[in-house]
Amino acid sequence: QSVLTQPPSVSGAPGQRVTISCTGSSSNIGANYVVSWYQQFPGTAPKLLIYFNTNRPSGVPDRFSGSKSGTSASLAITGLQAEDEADYYCQSYDSSLSRSVFGGGTKLTVL
Amino acid sequence: EVQLVQSGAEVKKPGESLKISCTVSGYSFTEYWIGWVRQVPGKGLEWMGIIYPGDSDTKYSPSFQAQVTLSVDKSISTAYLQWRSLEASDTAMYYCARESESDYYFDYWGQGTLVTVSS
Repeated sequence: QSVLTQPPSVSGAPGQRVTISCTGSSSNIGANYVVSWYQQFPGTAPKLLIYFNTNRPSGVPDRFSGSKSGTSASLAITGLQAEDEADYYCQSYDSSLSRSVFGGGTKLTVL
Repeated sequence: EVQLVQSGAEVKKPGESLKISCTVSGYSFTEYWIGWVRQVPGKGLEWMGIIYPGDSDTKYSPSFQAQVTLSVDKSISTAYLQWRSLEASDTAMYYCARESESDYYFDYWGQGTLVTVSS
């Protein structure tokens, strides 16, 4: 069981907005450690999508946005496109474990 | 351009040893932590451990500490993940990744090394 909890799957139609939640606790997200998000296509390495809760690396479309509140964080994707179909993972630092932790991952299906 | 290039796929038998590599370029190897992440087929990402090439300081996840060893060779800008005795449950894709200098996230990833352990 992952320290950070994500829904196993989400889906949406092209053009719609979807959100993926990442629920932590007082020893990670709630302790003000930053959250990052990764996108992974089948057979490829994960790619950094969001860092410092809300920042996008160069080249990531602004359709992707991150937010954080309390012990949870969210990734929002607007104007959903077929090419967004992938697995998404959140990551943060956990002070009780003294290491980084990943969420269990969410598979996004574009209907 | 920052690049992390990992060694090729491996097929091993239970009980055998293995060392896979991650060679970096495009930045100062000794100034950034390098982490290792496991992904069992069809499963999620697992943080295994991290090493600072500047002084070989290492931090392991308790889940992996007894099974693997992280090391580096600064002369060739290469990080290693090593097993003394593989088990079938070690079958997975292994990624190396550079940890950002500003916080605990991975900004660049290797392409992955698939390790298959089967008798």
